Amino acid sequence: AQSVAQPEDQVNVAEGNPLTVKCTYSVSGNPYLFWYVQYPNRGLQFLLKYITGDNLVKGSYGFEAEFNKSQTSFHLKKPSALVSDSALYFCAVRAYGGATNKLIFGTGTLLAVQP
Amino acid sequence: NAGVTQTPKFRVLKTGQSMTLLCAQDMNHEYMYWYRQDPGMGLRLIHYSVGEGTTAKGEVPDGYNVSRLKKQNFLLGLESAAPSQTSVYFCASSYLGRTETKWGYGYTFGSGTRLTVV
Repeated sequence: AQSVAQPEDQVNVAEGNPLTVKCTYSVSGNPYLFWYVQYPNRGLQFLLKYITGDNLVKGSYGFEAEFNKSQTSFHLKKPSALVSDSALYFCAVRAYGGATNKLIFGTGTLLAVQP
Repeated sequence: NAGVTQTPKFRVLKTGQSMTLLCAQDMNHEYMYWYRQDPGMGLRLIHYSVGEGTTAKGEVPDGYNVSRLKKQNFLLGLESAAPSQTSVYFCASSYLGRTETKWGYGYTFGSGTRLTVV
């Protein structure tokens, strides 16, 4: 069965410091992996994706993520955090193949950036 | 350039009442989804549709029904609301992706409906 784990409910980081939000996945076959961000009282917004190719993918707002097949991880990173990055972040996975295009979401990690 | 529009944005129901949540998308997407978001549980799939006239159950379908009579609309119904259905509901849509390029951006989400059942 497909699953996504976000082991940290909350990540605290000081503004200007690097940040990492962790995600591990379990899926049969090659994964399609996504990160979404949710600001208060808003819907989810797409940040970045890994489908194939380079293991380091770059996305919106200066975020990037590294796909590690051996560790089945897809951690979200940013070199220098901003207070405005404070939000709820979701990792999601879709298995390659199949006709339903269903995404399985993690439970979310709240990122709090202190000024 | 509306994307995915959900109505209403807020609603309070009494136990046993019924209601319908409307999701409309203007991107000609084939697939549409209804999720509920609860604290500590992330997003859970309620029902989804892979095309006009088709629907299927997701992870937590009990107590909900859906219909997709038109490609652009996906309705979520609660026949007899219960307090356990208090949640934030999100609709999403996506392409029928055949290539990584066309598929690439995953879902487009609506802004959500906050439902309270008392």
